Amino acid sequence: NAGVTQTPKFQVLKTGQSMTLQCAQDMNHEYMSWYRQDPGMGLRLIHYSVGAGITDQGEVPNGYNVSRSTTEDFPLRLLSAAPSQTSVYFCASQGTTDTQYFGPGTRLTVL
Amino acid sequence: GDSVTQMEGPVTLSEEAFLTINCTYTATGYPSLFWYVQYPGEGLQLLLKATKADDKGSNKGFEATYRKETTSFHLEKGSVQVSDSAVYFCALRKNTGNQFYFGTGTSLTVIP
Repeated sequence: NAGVTQTPKFQVLKTGQSMTLQCAQDMNHEYMSWYRQDPGMGLRLIHYSVGAGITDQGEVPNGYNVSRSTTEDFPLRLLSAAPSQTSVYFCASQGTTDTQYFGPGTRLTVL
Repeated sequence: GDSVTQMEGPVTLSEEAFLTINCTYTATGYPSLFWYVQYPGEGLQLLLKATKADDKGSNKGFEATYRKETTSFHLEKGSVQVSDSAVYFCALRKNTGNQFYFGTGTSLTVIP
């Protein structure tokens, strides 16, 4: 099992550009989520999904879109990047136990 | 609302020193409590967990006890190693739904 994979590992964008952060898991987990990690603020939940076709907002959803067309994939879209979105982004999945499994992260810089 | 508060870092210890990282929580009901560890350049990994009051989670020499009376879940290790240098996150999961709430993280550096 590869677990939770994320691409790319690093990305630099200019203000106003759009992009998609990819996340995939091969553990057949229903629950997936996106967090951003900022210094001094820990992890904050952006969006989550409890299964294919179902998504909901977390604590900091503005500027981000998600969709969940399959169990395996949960991409995060930045519609028009802003410097405030410079952060490290983590995708996580969770099965029937109460343990979340995290991907390696994507470090995003918006200039 | 639900939240987790953990001690500010960074923490620097000498090898073989005793470690305590404090964590307290605010939540209704009976949440599950977790410690996650993040090594440099990596994602978070589960270190240990406890699902009910008075449970003790343990792994790799680390321990934490779920104290409902003090709403705490402090992380301890009797003798730290250089390889324990990482950022440690306390987290809770409510017993309804799957949402996790993370603390701000405590950076630990262990020097030889």
